[in-house]
Amino acid sequence: ETVLTQFPGTLSLSPGDRVSLSCRASQAVGARYVAWYQKKPGQTPRLLMYGASTRPTGIPDRFSGSGSGTDFTLTITSLEPEDFAVYYCHQYYGSPHTFGGGTKVEMK
Amino acid sequence: QVQLVQSGGEVKKPGSSVKISCRASGFTFTSFGFSWVRQAPGQGLEWMGWISVHNPDTSNAQKFQGRVILTADKATNTAYMELRGLRFDDTAVYYCARSGPMRFDTSGFYHFWGQGTLVTVSS
Repeated sequence: ETVLTQFPGTLSLSPGDRVSLSCRASQAVGARYVAWYQKKPGQTPRLLMYGASTRPTGIPDRFSGSGSGTDFTLTITSLEPEDFAVYYCHQYYGSPHTFGGGTKVEMK
Repeated sequence: QVQLVQSGGEVKKPGSSVKISCRASGFTFTSFGFSWVRQAPGQGLEWMGWISVHNPDTSNAQKFQGRVILTADKATNTAYMELRGLRFDDTAVYYCARSGPMRFDTSGFYHFWGQGTLVTVSS
């Protein structure tokens, strides 16, 4: 099983800040098999990125993804008030799929 | 439009079973797979398993081996997740999500999700 470790666990930031969220896999995962989701309390997870760096239609371009092998990053260039949430990385290479533990982005 | 509509919340006794449905519409049901993900209170997202409707294939997380049964009914475009031997720590919101039809599938991410079903295990 591929374990995904996200760090840091929590970030305290302000609107307008730039943030980079990290996700490290315990073994190499093809870049085409990594996704990122945003999760807010009481809401369904929202797909932000798939294939490590592809944004679905409707996701603002302030979100970008990068990485390959074992290290992946989600970057938000300028935080908007609606971006304060928990972010999860996900690998879907074969089985089992796994999620990272999440990074909470909270308002300072 | 793509929709996944899950069955309603359940309250169950420890040791019992729960079966959650996920009715799909707006796409060709047999061209995809479905994953099940849960989130316990205050915890992160946890992958439970996957079933392909396209192929006769299914896979469960080791943690749920022997307790979770995934099925799909092509006649009604509905995926099901049954969890047996419920424990208090199975209290969670359970989600279905549309996934790829193959194990190694670059479309295996979850663009579409059901609304979630709260299962409460209580004596």
